[in-house]
Amino acid sequence: AQKVTQAQTEISVVEKEDVTLDCVYETRDTTYYLFWYKQPPSGELVFLIRRNSFDEQNEISGRYSWNFQKSTSSFNFTITASQVVDSAVYFCALSGGGADGLTFGKGTHLIIQP
Amino acid sequence: SQTIHQWPATLVQPVGSPLSLECTVEGTSNPNLYWYRQAAGRGLQLLFYSVGIGQISSEVPQNLSASRPQDRQFILSSKKLLLSDSGFYLCAWSVRVRETQYFGPGTRLLVL
Repeated sequence: AQKVTQAQTEISVVEKEDVTLDCVYETRDTTYYLFWYKQPPSGELVFLIRRNSFDEQNEISGRYSWNFQKSTSSFNFTITASQVVDSAVYFCALSGGGADGLTFGKGTHLIIQP
Repeated sequence: SQTIHQWPATLVQPVGSPLSLECTVEGTSNPNLYWYRQAAGRGLQLLFYSVGIGQISSEVPQNLSASRPQDRQFILSSKKLLLSDSGFYLCAWSVRVRETQYFGPGTRLLVL
Protein backbone atom coordinates (compact mmCIF):
# COMPACT_ATOMS: atom_id res chain seq x y z
CA ALA A 1 0.00 0.00 0.00
CA GLN A 2 1.08 3.54 -0.64
CA LYS A 3 1.73 6.05 2.07
CA VAL A 4 2.63 9.73 2.34
CA THR A 5 3.98 11.10 5.60
CA GLN A 6 4.11 14.75 6.50
CA ALA A 7 5.59 14.64 9.96
CA GLN A 8 5.26 18.37 10.61
CA THR A 9 1.71 19.00 11.74
CA GLU A 10 2.19 22.73 12.19
CA ILE A 11 5.02 25.17 11.54
CA SER A 12 5.08 28.78 12.64
CA VAL A 13 7.70 31.24 11.41
CA VAL A 14 8.10 34.97 11.20
CA GLU A 15 7.69 36.66 7.85
CA LYS A 16 10.77 36.66 5.60
CA GLU A 17 12.17 33.48 7.14
CA ASP A 18 12.79 30.47 4.92
CA VAL A 19 10.78 27.36 5.71
CA THR A 20 10.94 23.75 4.49
CA LEU A 21 8.00 21.38 4.50
CA ASP A 22 8.94 17.71 4.60
CA CYS A 23 7.29 14.89 2.68
CA VAL A 24 8.28 11.22 2.76
CA TYR A 25 6.51 8.64 0.65
CA GLU A 26 6.29 4.88 0.28
CA THR A 27 5.40 3.07 -2.92
CA ARG A 28 6.27 -0.14 -4.72
CA ASP A 29 5.70 1.42 -8.12
CA THR A 30 8.64 2.35 -10.30
CA THR A 31 6.58 4.99 -12.11
CA TYR A 32 4.63 7.50 -10.10
CA TYR A 33 3.94 11.19 -9.69
CA LEU A 34 4.40 13.39 -6.66
CA PHE A 35 2.39 16.54 -6.03
CA TRP A 36 2.15 19.50 -3.72
CA TYR A 37 -1.12 21.32 -3.10
CA LYS A 38 -1.89 24.43 -1.09
CA GLN A 39 -5.13 24.79 0.87
CA PRO A 40 -5.76 28.39 1.97
CA PRO A 41 -8.43 29.17 4.60
CA SER A 42 -11.08 29.26 1.87
CA GLY A 43 -10.66 25.48 1.56
CA GLU A 44 -10.02 25.00 -2.14
CA LEU A 45 -6.95 22.92 -2.98
CA VAL A 46 -4.58 24.74 -5.30
CA PHE A 47 -2.18 22.69 -7.40
CA LEU A 48 1.45 23.79 -7.04
CA ILE A 49 3.68 21.22 -8.72
CA ARG A 50 3.85 17.71 -10.17
CA ARG A 51 7.01 15.64 -10.35
CA ASN A 52 7.59 12.49 -12.39
CA SER A 53 9.47 9.70 -10.60
CA PHE A 54 12.04 9.67 -13.40
CA ASP A 55 12.89 13.33 -13.04
CA GLU A 56 14.96 14.10 -9.96
CA GLN A 57 15.91 17.59 -10.98
CA ASN A 58 15.12 20.16 -8.37
CA GLU A 59 12.73 22.88 -9.44
CA ILE A 60 12.48 26.53 -8.53
CA SER A 61 9.51 28.78 -9.19
CA GLY A 62 9.91 32.23 -7.74
CA ARG A 63 10.13 31.87 -3.96
CA TYR A 64 9.16 28.18 -4.13
CA SER A 65 11.57 25.31 -4.64
CA TRP A 66 11.21 21.55 -4.52
CA ASN A 67 13.85 18.94 -3.69
CA PHE A 68 13.04 15.43 -4.92
CA GLN A 69 15.35 12.65 -3.71
CA LYS A 70 14.46 9.13 -4.72
CA SER A 71 17.18 7.65 -2.53
CA THR A 72 15.44 8.89 0.59
CA SER A 73 11.89 8.82 -0.85
CA SER A 74 11.46 12.47 -0.07
CA PHE A 75 9.91 15.41 -1.88
CA ASN A 76 10.49 18.50 0.23
CA PHE A 77 9.11 21.96 -0.41
CA THR A 78 10.93 25.17 0.54
CA ILE A 79 9.51 28.66 0.65
CA THR A 80 12.14 31.38 0.61
CA ALA A 81 11.47 34.76 2.24
CA SER A 82 8.04 33.66 3.44
CA GLN A 83 5.09 36.03 3.33
CA VAL A 84 1.86 36.17 5.30
CA VAL A 85 -0.04 35.10 2.17
CA ASP A 86 1.84 31.80 2.28
CA SER A 87 -0.11 30.83 5.39
CA ALA A 88 -2.10 27.73 4.50
CA VAL A 89 -2.20 23.97 4.85
CA TYR A 90 0.13 22.26 2.40
CA PHE A 91 -0.44 18.72 1.20
CA CYS A 92 1.96 16.33 -0.42
CA ALA A 93 0.36 13.62 -2.58
CA LEU A 94 1.36 10.52 -4.53
CA SER A 95 -0.22 8.73 -7.48
CA GLY A 96 0.11 5.11 -8.52
CA GLY A 97 0.01 1.86 -6.56
CA GLY A 98 -2.95 0.57 -8.51
CA ALA A 99 -5.26 3.26 -7.19
CA ASP A 100 -6.73 5.83 -9.49
CA GLY A 101 -6.91 8.62 -6.96
CA LEU A 102 -4.13 10.39 -5.13
CA THR A 103 -2.78 9.35 -1.76
CA PHE A 104 -2.47 12.43 0.40
CA GLY A 105 -0.42 13.15 3.49
CA LYS A 106 -2.21 14.68 6.45
CA GLY A 107 -0.92 18.13 5.63
CA THR A 108 1.30 20.71 7.28
CA HIS A 109 -0.32 23.86 8.63
CA LEU A 110 2.04 26.72 7.88
CA ILE A 111 1.59 29.94 9.83
CA ILE A 112 3.54 33.00 8.75
CA GLN A 113 3.49 35.68 11.39
CA PRO A 114 3.96 39.34 10.41
CA SER B 1 -10.01 27.22 -19.64
CA GLN B 2 -11.46 24.58 -17.39
CA THR B 3 -13.48 25.37 -14.30
CA ILE B 4 -15.07 23.15 -11.71
CA HIS B 5 -18.12 24.05 -9.68
CA GLN B 6 -19.59 22.57 -6.55
CA TRP B 7 -22.82 23.30 -4.73
CA PRO B 8 -24.00 23.95 -2.24
CA ALA B 9 -21.04 25.64 -0.57
CA THR B 10 -22.33 24.91 2.92
CA LEU B 11 -24.98 22.53 4.18
CA VAL B 12 -26.37 21.71 7.61
CA GLN B 13 -28.47 18.56 7.71
CA PRO B 14 -30.09 16.48 10.47
CA VAL B 15 -29.06 12.89 11.05
CA GLY B 16 -31.08 10.53 8.90
CA SER B 17 -31.83 13.05 6.17
CA PRO B 18 -30.86 12.53 2.51
CA LEU B 19 -27.94 14.23 0.79
CA SER B 20 -27.17 15.36 -2.71
CA LEU B 21 -23.99 17.24 -3.59
CA GLU B 22 -23.30 18.26 -7.15
CA CYS B 23 -20.12 18.85 -9.09
CA THR B 24 -19.82 20.06 -12.67
CA VAL B 25 -16.80 20.67 -14.87
CA GLU B 26 -16.63 23.11 -17.76
CA GLY B 27 -14.16 23.43 -20.59
CA THR B 28 -13.14 19.81 -21.01
CA SER B 29 -14.59 16.55 -22.31
CA ASN B 30 -14.56 13.09 -20.76
CA PRO B 31 -12.73 14.10 -17.60
CA ASN B 32 -11.94 11.69 -14.82
CA LEU B 33 -13.93 12.80 -11.78
CA TYR B 34 -13.30 12.25 -8.09
CA TRP B 35 -15.01 12.79 -4.74
CA TYR B 36 -12.83 13.26 -1.65
CA ARG B 37 -13.75 13.88 1.95
CA GLN B 38 -11.63 15.84 4.38
CA ALA B 39 -12.59 15.31 8.02
CA ALA B 40 -11.41 17.78 10.65
CA GLY B 41 -7.70 17.41 11.35
CA ARG B 42 -7.25 14.67 8.78
CA GLY B 43 -6.04 14.37 5.23
CA LEU B 44 -8.10 13.80 2.16
CA GLN B 45 -9.77 10.46 1.66
CA LEU B 46 -10.82 9.34 -1.82
CA LEU B 47 -14.45 8.24 -1.80
CA PHE B 48 -15.36 7.65 -5.45
CA TYR B 49 -13.95 8.14 -8.90
CA SER B 50 -15.37 7.90 -12.39
CA VAL B 51 -13.70 7.48 -15.76
CA GLY B 52 -16.92 7.89 -17.77
CA ILE B 53 -20.70 8.24 -17.73
CA GLY B 54 -22.27 5.63 -15.50
CA GLN B 55 -18.87 4.25 -14.42
CA ILE B 56 -18.30 4.59 -10.69
CA SER B 57 -15.62 3.04 -8.53
CA SER B 58 -15.86 3.11 -4.77
CA GLU B 59 -12.78 3.28 -2.62
CA VAL B 60 -14.35 3.16 0.82
CA PRO B 61 -17.56 1.26 1.68
CA GLN B 62 -20.01 3.49 3.50
CA ASN B 63 -23.51 4.86 3.29
CA LEU B 64 -22.59 7.25 0.48
CA SER B 65 -23.05 6.67 -3.23
CA ALA B 66 -22.06 8.50 -6.39
CA SER B 67 -23.49 8.85 -9.84
CA ARG B 68 -22.37 10.36 -13.13
CA PRO B 69 -25.48 11.03 -15.21
CA GLN B 70 -23.67 13.28 -17.71
CA ASP B 71 -20.11 13.55 -18.96
CA ARG B 72 -19.21 16.54 -16.79
CA GLN B 73 -21.54 16.02 -13.84
CA PHE B 74 -20.73 14.05 -10.70
CA ILE B 75 -23.18 13.65 -7.83
CA LEU B 76 -22.58 12.44 -4.30
CA SER B 77 -25.63 11.12 -2.46
CA SER B 78 -26.81 9.51 0.71
CA LYS B 79 -30.21 8.15 1.71
CA LYS B 80 -29.62 8.66 5.44
CA LEU B 81 -26.84 10.83 6.80
CA LEU B 82 -24.79 9.85 9.83
CA LEU B 83 -22.99 12.16 12.23
CA SER B 84 -19.72 10.78 10.90
CA ASP B 85 -20.56 12.08 7.42
CA SER B 86 -19.73 15.62 8.53
CA GLY B 87 -16.74 17.04 6.73
CA PHE B 88 -15.49 18.97 3.78
CA TYR B 89 -16.30 17.35 0.44
CA LEU B 90 -14.12 18.11 -2.51
CA CYS B 91 -14.69 17.24 -6.13
CA ALA B 92 -11.76 17.03 -8.53
CA TRP B 93 -11.12 16.31 -12.19
CA SER B 94 -8.14 15.14 -14.22
CA VAL B 95 -7.39 14.55 -17.87
CA ARG B 96 -6.02 11.08 -17.24
CA VAL B 97 -5.96 8.71 -14.32
CA ARG B 98 -3.10 9.27 -11.85
CA GLU B 99 -2.24 12.67 -13.26
CA THR B 100 -2.76 16.14 -11.85
CA GLN B 101 -6.14 16.61 -10.24
CA TYR B 102 -7.80 20.02 -10.10
CA PHE B 103 -10.15 20.67 -7.25
CA GLY B 104 -13.41 22.52 -6.84
CA PRO B 105 -14.21 24.96 -4.02
CA GLY B 106 -15.71 22.24 -1.82
CA THR B 107 -18.88 21.75 0.23
CA ARG B 108 -18.82 21.99 4.02
CA LEU B 109 -21.34 19.50 5.43
CA LEU B 110 -22.39 19.51 9.06
CA VAL B 111 -24.65 16.70 10.23
CA LEU B 112 -26.43 17.40 13.51
